[in-house]
Amino acid sequence: DQQVKQNSPSLSVQEGRISILNCDYTNSMFDYFLWYKKYPAEGPTFLISISSIKDKNEDGRFTVFLNKSAKHLSLHIVPSQPGDSAVYFCAASRGFKTIFGAGTRLFVKA
Amino acid sequence: KAGVTQTPRYLIKTRGQQVTLSCSPISGHRSVSWYQQTPGQGLQFLFEYFSETQRNKGNFPGRFSGRQFSNSRSEMNVSTLELGDSALYLCASSLRQGPEKLFFGSGTQLSVL
Repeated sequence: DQQVKQNSPSLSVQEGRISILNCDYTNSMFDYFLWYKKYPAEGPTFLISISSIKDKNEDGRFTVFLNKSAKHLSLHIVPSQPGDSAVYFCAASRGFKTIFGAGTRLFVKA
Repeated sequence: KAGVTQTPRYLIKTRGQQVTLSCSPISGHRSVSWYQQTPGQGLQFLFEYFSETQRNKGNFPGRFSGRQFSNSRSEMNVSTLELGDSALYLCASSLRQGPEKLFFGSGTQLSVL
């Protein structure tokens, strides 16, 4: 039962361009959404989050958009940098439980 | 402030054995969660502890168990290991329960032969 889906296993983007990572969820009860970044041999690190009462949250080069009617969120990285190459996990939270997607591997080419 | 510490970093076991993984959360954090990461499956939620009580559990068999001590340190145990248990096991801590960002350790890479 995959409640949080990241349908693109990988994404390749040129340095300086925009990276858009997508995430869909099935449970409308989720009320908090987060993105994490993971480098090899390290644990995931928190990147940005958004509450269900908002539709956009911005932090520097990172912006998360939430479309509740479509049960869809996306992470925009502008401009993309080679150091952004990592696996990105979206997560949805309700109460005491946080469910993660399978991750999208982002390659930013110099 | 020290981050989340997981030990050991790597572990090799054979089928049928049991294993115990350890996690020390960030000082002051009272909630500890465990996740299993396998290729293509993302992070699968195992369980979450708060104040020494298991508050939430994922869809894993009873061979997977855990506990939390009074100092918030947590252990995870897997008994009767199977080949499919080979994975990266991640521990995460947060200050409180509920929708908060999690702070992850580097994980324990378990290989079952």
